[in-house]
Formats: sequence, C-alpha cells, structure tokens
Amino acid sequence: ETGVTQSPTHLIKTRGQQVTLRCSSQSGHNTVSWYQQALGQGPQFIFQYYREEENGRGNFPPRFSGLQFPNYSSELNVNALELDDSALYLCASSLEAGGNYGYTFGSGTRLTVV
Amino acid sequence: GENVEQHPSTLSVQEGDSAVIKCTYSDSASNYFPWYKQELGKGPQLIIDIRSNVGEKKDQRIAVTLNKTAKHFSLHITETQPEDSAVYFCAASSGSARQLTFGSGTQLTVLP
Repeated sequence: ETGVTQSPTHLIKTRGQQVTLRCSSQSGHNTVSWYQQALGQGPQFIFQYYREEENGRGNFPPRFSGLQFPNYSSELNVNALELDDSALYLCASSLEAGGNYGYTFGSGTRLTVV
Repeated sequence: GENVEQHPSTLSVQEGDSAVIKCTYSDSASNYFPWYKQELGKGPQLIIDIRSNVGEKKDQRIAVTLNKTAKHFSLHITETQPEDSAVYFCAASSGSARQLTFGSGTQLTVLP
C-alpha cells in the first residue's frame, strides 16, 4: 500500500507566475484535501475534492483552484503568485468524504515565491 | 467556523518524564480529533485520534482524552524518548467537508 505522494518536493517561482502542484492519493482513498502550512504555523484548509468535484473550501481566494482526476489524483493550481504564497503545501487523502476516516498526509511541496 | 487553540507552544522535558499538550475547540459539531507529529521536512503523521463518542483512548505510551462539555482534548506521552522530539499538532474535524482545523503546534524537546 503506497502512501500519499506529492511532486515536486521543492519549487521556486517569481511573483505573478502560476504554479501547479500534484498529488497521488493513498491506494483506496477517493478524497483529496489540500492544506497550506506557513512557516511555524499549523496547516490551513484550502479545499477538498471528492468524485472530481470541489467538496468544500477554506478561506482562500479564487486564484487557488484544483482538479481531481478519475484515478483520484489531484492538482493544486495557484495563479498570480504572491510573496505570501510561500509555504509548504500539503495534500491529504482519506477513505471517503463526509465521514471521519482519518487523513493521510504527503510530505508536501515547499513553494518559495521570490 | 471552527477555532482550535493549542498550548503550550514549546515544551521541554527530561527523557523518561511525561509530556502533556492541551487543545480547546469552539465548534460543538466537531466530532473527530486527531493528533499529528511533524518532523522537520516531513508532512504530519497521525499518531492517535479520538471520536466524540469516546472519552479516552490509549496506544502504548500515547493517550488522548476528550471532554466534550468543556470542549477540550489533551495528548499525553509517557516515558518520553529523544525520538519523540518534534512538533505536535492537534486538530478538529468539522464543516461540510469534515475538514481539519489545526492548532498552532507544540515544539516538544526531549532532553537526554
């Protein structure tokens, strides 16, 4: 059973650019959530995808968007990057949406915006 | 929305001593409370969780207690070891997506 894998592990982008981060969910998990973790803080919920649809969203602007594919993998896209977008982006998968089945986190993508 | 507060922000203990980390939450609809351990450069790793129909859960040296009336839950680590040193996060699950709201973290240092 493979865990949650994220790519790339590190990324440096310039302010104003766009970025795409990728996540493969744990085997058997059909729900993917994305979190942003700023340095020294707890992760903050961005959004969740279930059955290829956005299933819930945190307090993030529309320039944060996502996709989920039929194999349950997911992408996080951020447009018009700002310096404050520099953070660790975590993907978490779970067995099913709407229930408390627990979340498995990946190791994250460290995004630096300069 | 949900708000989770976590204390203390840093905690140093001698090897073999116990460590206790406390969290409070605001949304009475929250019903799942996981604890994560995060080591440098890694993602959070689930160490123990508790559901709202249970008051206490134990797994070897780690235990979690939940007081629904007071809306607080705690992590207890006994017989601490240097490898327990990490940042620990509490979280509460609520909202339509049952998303996790995290506390601000506790840096635990176990001194040999």
